Order: sequence, then C-alpha cells, then structure tokens
Amino acid sequence: EPEVTQTPSHQVTQMGQEVILRCVPISNHLYFYWYRQILGQKVEFLVSFYNNEISEKSEIFDDQFSVERPDGSNFTLKIRSTKLEDSAMYFCASKTGGDNSPLHFGNGTRLTVT
Amino acid sequence: AQSVSQHNHHVILSEAASLELGCNYSYGGTVNLFWYVQYPGQHLQLLLKYFSGDPLVKGIKGFEAEFIKSKFSFNLRKPSVQWSDTAEYFCAVTRAWGNNRLAFGKGNQVVVIP
Repeated sequence: EPEVTQTPSHQVTQMGQEVILRCVPISNHLYFYWYRQILGQKVEFLVSFYNNEISEKSEIFDDQFSVERPDGSNFTLKIRSTKLEDSAMYFCASKTGGDNSPLHFGNGTRLTVT
Repeated sequence: AQSVSQHNHHVILSEAASLELGCNYSYGGTVNLFWYVQYPGQHLQLLLKYFSGDPLVKGIKGFEAEFIKSKFSFNLRKPSVQWSDTAEYFCAVTRAWGNNRLAFGKGNQVVVIP
C-alpha cells in the first residue's frame, strides 16, 4: 500500500536556524497538509495546499513558515528562524481529493529546537 | 471552529477486557468523523470513519464506533482488546463541506496488559 514518507525522522536544530522538513505524498493525491503535535498536546492543523497554492492556514502558520511543492513529488515545510516552541512532531498528510476521502499521514518528523 | 473532546487520557486494561473511548465534538453542521490510531513508533493510521448512513461503523482490527448525532458523540469500542492494541487513539472531525481541516482530540493513551 502506498505511503506518505517523511524525512528526516528526527531533526535537531539550534534556535534561530532554518529547517526544512520534507514529505513525499502518495503519488495520485492532490491535497497536501501539515499538522503538528507538541508533546502532550493535540494534533494541530498548520496548512493545506492544493493546486500549487495554500488553500488554508491556521493562526500558527505565521510568516516564519512556508510550504512548497518544488517538483511533482516533494512537499516541504520550511521554518525560517526556529524557536524553542517550534519543537514538536510534524506530520505531513495527503488525500486524493473530494470531501469523502480520508487523510493519509506520514510517520512524522520530530523537530527538537535547542 | 469545530473542536473535539476526549476524556480519560490514560486507559490501562487487561487483555480480553472491553474498551470504550469517548469522543464529543462541537459543531452544529454536518460532519465527517474519524478515529486514528498511532502505534508506538509508527504513523497515524485511519481506524475507521463516518460520513453518512448507518451510524454504527465498523473499522479494522475489530473496532467499531457509533455516531449519535443528538449527543454530538462518536465513541470507539472494542469488545475484547489484545496486547497489540496498545496505542494512542485520536478522534477527529471535519466539516462535511467547506474546509477539510481535521480538528483532533487530545488522544487516549491505551495500554493493554497481557
């Protein structure tokens, strides 16, 4: 069964550094998402992406965050200047489209900002 | 915005015991409901979903959930758990139309003792 893949599985970075989290969604999927889960808290929506543009973003997704689909397969999340509170598990998800299709999640990237 | 409540964050039970996890959501419109499971070290996986029709939904691994519209609930059940059901379980809801962002509950950490 095809899967959403994320790399790296764990990233450690210093405060103020830029990080790029990478995702390869399932190949025939059209909608792409980033969620995050701070330890002990709920999984939170960050952003959705469709047709090469952001379709929706949450209040968490400020100017420090950006997403890109640089080619036909990758979907990246960039944090320009990381803060301690950005430490979390970041999940990429994708779906085929339409309201009745469920999200498929990747394994997540654990980001630790020191 | 829709929100999801899950109670009894930590649940410990013995093999063969029955499991029921509560999920309540707040949104007055038509919703799609999901339960996701996250086994230790693995990604979020879809356990079952409800879009319409029979409010009793059967998912994988013997799980089922019942949608009770009047109670805004979507409780997850399994009559007889196994050690391999040790995982974190997340209830999630999205509007049936419009934005498709998932709102997650805080999760239930379930530990099954052999």
